[in-house]
Amino acid sequence: TQLLEQSPQFLSIQEGENLTVYCNSSSVFSSLQWYRQEPGEGPVLLVTVVTGGEVKKLKRLTFQFGDARKDSSLHITAAQPGDTGLYLCAGGTALIFGKGTTLSVSS
Amino acid sequence: NAGVTQTPKFQVLKTGQSMTLQCAQDMNHEYMSWYRQDPGMGLRLIHYSVGAGITDQGEVPNGYNVSRSTTEDFPLRLLSAAPSQTSVYFCASSYGRYGGELFFGEGSRLTVL
Repeated sequence: TQLLEQSPQFLSIQEGENLTVYCNSSSVFSSLQWYRQEPGEGPVLLVTVVTGGEVKKLKRLTFQFGDARKDSSLHITAAQPGDTGLYLCAGGTALIFGKGTTLSVSS
Repeated sequence: NAGVTQTPKFQVLKTGQSMTLQCAQDMNHEYMSWYRQDPGMGLRLIHYSVGAGITDQGEVPNGYNVSRSTTEDFPLRLLSAAPSQTSVYFCASSYGRYGGELFFGEGSRLTVL
């Protein structure tokens, strides 16, 4: 059974700080996705990483796929209150999700 | 575009009652799925469908039934509701099953008393 473990589970930071969220597994994934969910809404796709070692940037967000395709990270530079939300990684043929990282950015 | 539409948004049931959560998408997606989201548990896959007439079980299928008679609709049925089924349910669709972007509905919050 494929499992995705995310860390940390909760993160509370001040505006302007940097942070990294991790998504790890003992299984190899052909691709991993990152979603962001705001309260009362469904998750929305941020990025899909496919190639081992791949790095993708989305404004202040940087996503990396591990060389062995077993892990991924999300780095946010200079976090803003608008970044607040639940960040979820997902992967696998049945599209399983990690338990998520709840990020709170205060001004 | 409406995208993925779920109804109802809120529902309260008594233990033992049955109900159907409706899900419709207007993007002609072949793949549709149902997830439940509980605090600290992320999204767990209940059932999924890769096309009309084809359904399969996910991680937590017990107590739920699905059918896919058309490409657009994928209803989720609770046959005899239990308090453990209190959750937020999300329907999602995608062009394909493997690595495609999942488009989610806004969720249906179900409380079973």
